[in-house]
Amino acid sequence: EAQVTQNPRYLITVTGKKLTVTCSQNMNHEYMSWYRQDPGLGLRQIYYSMNVEVTDKGDVPEGYKVSRKEKRNFPLILESPSPNQTSLYFCASSISPTHEQYFGPGTRLTVT
Amino acid sequence: TQLLEQSPQFLSIQEGENLTVYCNSSSVFSSLQWYRQEPGEGPVLLVTVVTGGEVKKLKRLTFQFGDARKDSSLHITAAQPGDTGLYLCAGFDRQTGANNLFFGTGTRLTVIP
Repeated sequence: EAQVTQNPRYLITVTGKKLTVTCSQNMNHEYMSWYRQDPGLGLRQIYYSMNVEVTDKGDVPEGYKVSRKEKRNFPLILESPSPNQTSLYFCASSISPTHEQYFGPGTRLTVT
Repeated sequence: TQLLEQSPQFLSIQEGENLTVYCNSSSVFSSLQWYRQEPGEGPVLLVTVVTGGEVKKLKRLTFQFGDARKDSSLHITAAQPGDTGLYLCAGFDRQTGANNLFFGTGTRLTVIP
């Protein structure tokens, strides 16, 4: 089954404690993205990757890091989380930005 | 930032009514997508429009891309409770040379049985 998986689905952490949210897709897609979703603001792109070792900033990259060492995986790293990063995070993959984006189930992060 | 404004932000209607939601921007987009998101899930693609003035139909849903490719609308005929969800538009501008995909602010639709 074609899918995008994210882990964990829920995470509560404290300010400053480094965390990683994993994302994996099994569709051999080249384009992968991370988004955060906040009420009234829609989905905002954090980072995207056009292919292995090719990543670029989205709309709201501050406080986040990503890596793309393998085509299927695109982890999101928060080196020093802060409360303003409390949000619902989605990973997505696609052939390209103009094609259908396949979204993971989301990770709800709370930073206290 | 290429801002996509959607209106209305919230919409609550009775089953059987018609409705239109709008997606507007000051930027020109090469293509525009519409997604629907249900609670606890990620967005799912409904349609992609690429040509100015293009109209696409998906059962009771009609999508239109503006002539200038700056705006789009989604019209639902005879809404059903199953149409309830968050509707998001997303635009891509090939001319910027970047590969960002910008999402709108969303319209949350509730269809009351």
